[in-house]
Parts: sequence; C-alpha cells; structure tokens
Amino acid sequence: GENVEQHPSTLSVQEGDSAVIKCTYSDSASNYFPWYKQELGKRPQLIIDIRSNVGEKKDQRIAVTLNKTAKHFSLHITETQPEDSAVYFCAAITNTGNQFYFGTGTSLTVIP
Amino acid sequence: SQTIHQWPATLVQPVGSPLSLECTVEGTSNPNLYWYRQAAGRGLQLLFYSVGIGQISSEVPQNLSASRPQDRQFILSSKKLLLSDSGFYLCAWSVRTREPQHFGDGTRLSIL
Repeated sequence: GENVEQHPSTLSVQEGDSAVIKCTYSDSASNYFPWYKQELGKRPQLIIDIRSNVGEKKDQRIAVTLNKTAKHFSLHITETQPEDSAVYFCAAITNTGNQFYFGTGTSLTVIP
Repeated sequence: SQTIHQWPATLVQPVGSPLSLECTVEGTSNPNLYWYRQAAGRGLQLLFYSVGIGQISSEVPQNLSASRPQDRQFILSSKKLLLSDSGFYLCAWSVRTREPQHFGDGTRLSIL
C-alpha cells in the first residue's frame, strides 16, 4: 500500500515568516493530495488540495506544490500568523484505492 | 449544505463495558463514511470505511466493529472496551472515494 512520510514533525517560525511542510509518497499511482489543519482538540479541516494533473495551487497565503517525478508535495504558508499554529496533516490516495494515507503530522507554532 | 453530526462529544467508560458511537450526515446521499482513531499527539488511524449501506471494510483487526444501518448513519461499536481503546474518534464523509473527506467534531473516549 501507499506510504506517506511527513517532515518536520515540529516547526517553529516567527510571525510573518514562511513555513514549509514536506511530504513524500511511495505509490506513483497516487493522484489526489489533500492537506488538513487540526487545532488542539478540534477536528481536522481541509485547507487545500491538489490533483496530479496540476503542479501548484494557491489560496491566499497557502500554496501546495506537487512534484510527481520525485513523488513529493509540499505545503507553503506565507506571512504566518499566530492563528496558523496547529497540527498539519498531508494525505495521499491512489487512483484505484479506497482510503487516504495520512502523514504523521507537523506541529506548527507561530511565535508572535 | 452538508453537515456531519457525531455524538457524544466525550465519554468515560470502564474497561469491559460496551461502546456505541454514532455519526450521521445530512444534505447528501450515498456518501462514503469513515471512522478514524487518533491517539493523543498522534496521527489518524483509519478503522473502518463504508461505500454503501451494509458495506463495511475494516482496516485494523481489533475488538471494534462498525455498522451502516441507514444510508447516512455510521455506528462504531464494541462489546468490551480495552484500555488501549482510549482516544479521539473521528467520523468523516466524502462524496466519493477520491474527494475531500470532511470530519465530524469527534468523540473523546477515556477508558478507566
């Protein structure tokens, strides 16, 4: 099955700086890659996603890039704010699979 | 619009007692439904998923079971809880398999 690895496990940045979280996947048939944000004690919420026919997608301060050749995708958050502090999860699913494979999460802390 | 309801929000149960967690989705038909467990500070572990009434796939052998008695209802059960069953249980739905999953607010289960 698919294996998704996520790095780093923890990340601290100063308010206003950028944050980058990277994920790699093993199955070249994976074609959908969502990112979720989970605040402490809350449910994961989808923040952005990308499909394999696209190399980059942006939504205001958040962007996701996908490199199919290298089998990795990254979340970029610019101009970070304290409310960006949360755990972020990446995931992947293959074109024939039935389940998401989640990364182990990155705890992001934005220092005011 | 679609909404997902999950209850109870918190539950404290003694070891060996039964369990029933319920999840319902409104505003859509024939959704994919999922049960996840999240240990403290950890990632998301898929327990069960269902693509239709009576169709349940189990990902992790354990003392838990799932049922889908109605199109938009998903129930997680156990006959006898173990200490290791403690965690944050999340229900999720999606329109179909390779589409975003949307999570409920979760049930925090503590086993004493």
